Amino acid sequence: NAGVMQNPRHLVRRRGQEARLRCSPMKGHSHVYWYRQLPEEGLKFMVYLQKENIIDESGMPKERFSAEFPKEGPSILRIQQVVRGDSAAYFCASSPPDRGNTGELFFGEGSRLTVL
Amino acid sequence: QQQVKQSPQSLIVQKGGISIINCAYENTAFDYFPWYQQFPGKGPALLIAIRPDVSEKKEGRFTISFNKSAKQFSLHIMDSQPGDSATYFCAASRVLTSYGKLTFGQGTILTVHP
Repeated sequence: NAGVMQNPRHLVRRRGQEARLRCSPMKGHSHVYWYRQLPEEGLKFMVYLQKENIIDESGMPKERFSAEFPKEGPSILRIQQVVRGDSAAYFCASSPPDRGNTGELFFGEGSRLTVL
Repeated sequence: QQQVKQSPQSLIVQKGGISIINCAYENTAFDYFPWYQQFPGKGPALLIAIRPDVSEKKEGRFTISFNKSAKQFSLHIMDSQPGDSATYFCAASRVLTSYGKLTFGQGTILTVHP
């Protein structure tokens, strides 16, 4: 049973370019979350999605960032016109439809974005 | 009010010793307090978690102590091993109403010397 798959693992972009990060949740999981980890900081919630729906994007910067989780295919985190401050590790996590009382999230290994 | 404050930033322990990491939260609506372990280059993985209706939870060498009145909780690693060297994050959420929206502490880098 494969875990949460993220790609690319490493991405280098120049300022002004676009970055697309992909996340395939664990099999059977329909809830996807994106978190950002800046150097030497904890993870910060960005967005929570279910299939074809954005449930909570309260942690997303208002501009340049967008996320989707289409009916078919992986979830995509898109960063337009990247700036150096976007350099970070972006983690995707998933959880099953029925989370019960555990609240456990399963994280991928992250996508590390470097903006030159 | 959404912050979770974690200390220390880094911790060095000898093999066999006890590692203690502390966290404090502000939002009394939080009802789920997990600890995540992260190795370099990897994603965080759930280590142990506690709900506020208990004061302590133990799983193997790992114990969470929870003080609801003080709004604090801590992770104790007994008989620390070099393989425990990692970054540890505490977190908090309102699991029944806020799904997987975790508020993380800043992390503690634990180094266990042989």
